[in-house]
Amino acid sequence: KAGVTQTPRYLIKTRGQQVTLSCSPISGHRSVSWYQQTPGQGLQFLFEYFSETQRNKGNFPGRFSGRQFSNSRSEMNVSTLELGDSALYLCASSLQFEGGLETQYFGPGTRLLVL
Amino acid sequence: GESVGLHLPTLSVQEGDNSIINCAYSNSASDYFIWYKQESGKGPQFIIDIRSNMDKRQGQRVTVLLNKTVKHLSLQIAATQPGDSAVYFCAERGGNDYKLSFGAGTTVTVRA
Repeated sequence: KAGVTQTPRYLIKTRGQQVTLSCSPISGHRSVSWYQQTPGQGLQFLFEYFSETQRNKGNFPGRFSGRQFSNSRSEMNVSTLELGDSALYLCASSLQFEGGLETQYFGPGTRLLVL
Repeated sequence: GESVGLHLPTLSVQEGDNSIINCAYSNSASDYFIWYKQESGKGPQFIIDIRSNMDKRQGQRVTVLLNKTVKHLSLQIAATQPGDSAVYFCAERGGNDYKLSFGAGTTVTVRA
């Protein structure tokens, strides 16, 4: 079974631009979560989607948004990019949200550099 | 608030020795704990998990211990190999929501 895939793997943008990252979960997984990883802040939770609905949101500004499609694929968007948005953005999928004790499996991440 | 932390940011281990990586958490409502391994350029890889109704769980060369009394989690790696060199994260889930909260990570370096 294929793992979680993320595209693109690397991205360079300039301040003020916007970016859209894509995540395809493991086949059959319905829950997708997004995390931001930086050397200073570590791994921080962005949001979680299940059945096209955002179920959980972390403490990030409204410039960070996401959505999930009917096939469970998910996208996240960052508008008005800032230098501090440079990070590795990780997507993780799990079978389901209900119960909350499902193992999350991570993709390789998208490395975003904002200049 | 909830937080998850690791006691040491780095750990150097001789190949063949056992490794112990520690993690402390503060959310007493946490009911699920996971250890992840992250190699350079890759996403975190699931190693082993444990639910709060257990105090020990074993996998292949790895053992996770959970002490709910002192809110402490540890990962033991037996016969550490060069391929075990990576950053190890503990994560917890539970409480009022089900997002994963990660510790800062411990970088394990295996000496030949």
